Amino acid sequence: GESVGLHLPTLSVQEGDNSIINCAYSNSASDYFIWYKQESGKGPQFIIDIRSNMDKRQGQRVTVLLNKTVKHLSLQIAATQPGDSAVYFCAEIYSGGGADGLTFGKGTHLIIQP
Amino acid sequence: EAQVTQNPRYLITVTGKKLTVTCSQNMNHEYMSWYRQDPGLGLRQIYYSMNVEVTDKGDVPEGYKVSRKEKRNFPLILESPSPNQTSLYFCASKRQGVVNEQFFGPGTRLTVL
Repeated sequence: GESVGLHLPTLSVQEGDNSIINCAYSNSASDYFIWYKQESGKGPQFIIDIRSNMDKRQGQRVTVLLNKTVKHLSLQIAATQPGDSAVYFCAEIYSGGGADGLTFGKGTHLIIQP
Repeated sequence: EAQVTQNPRYLITVTGKKLTVTCSQNMNHEYMSWYRQDPGLGLRQIYYSMNVEVTDKGDVPEGYKVSRKEKRNFPLILESPSPNQTSLYFCASKRQGVVNEQFFGPGTRLTVL
């Protein structure tokens, strides 16, 4: 079936470096892709999204890149800070898949080394 | 403060003892949803509601019930909990018609012995 997954379960980076978290998806009909951040003991928090007709979108310190050719999504975090330590989920929305058709990936744990 | 609240945050119970996890949002959102989160499986949708008195099954509805009598509340009911329902549960809400952003509650960690 269609699914969204992540390449690496854990990513360790030095404080101040840039982080790149990857995600593969399989449903070429998805309309939206979203990145969520989940800190320990909290619910997922929206970070940034991108429509399927875009290939790049920038936020504050974050950039999402979408490569539809290889069905790949990435989240880039610039100048990683200790507060960026969390599990990051990608999710895809396929409007033909139900009320919101939201499918989550399994998550990547970002660890910041001092 | 705009938020989604859940109660209880932690619950340990025994097999077969009915329980309810409450969810409430103060953002006047039409859409509400329940997810469970399990290691290695990510977030999976249990039930969702597009408005008052309208509920539908998600991906893993077996063993759960929901109700939506009021716009702000969306309780999750486990009539006869079993150990395989031990999980971390999240309630979420969003405006109907807004595709992308859901607001999540803080989570309820349920253990069924």
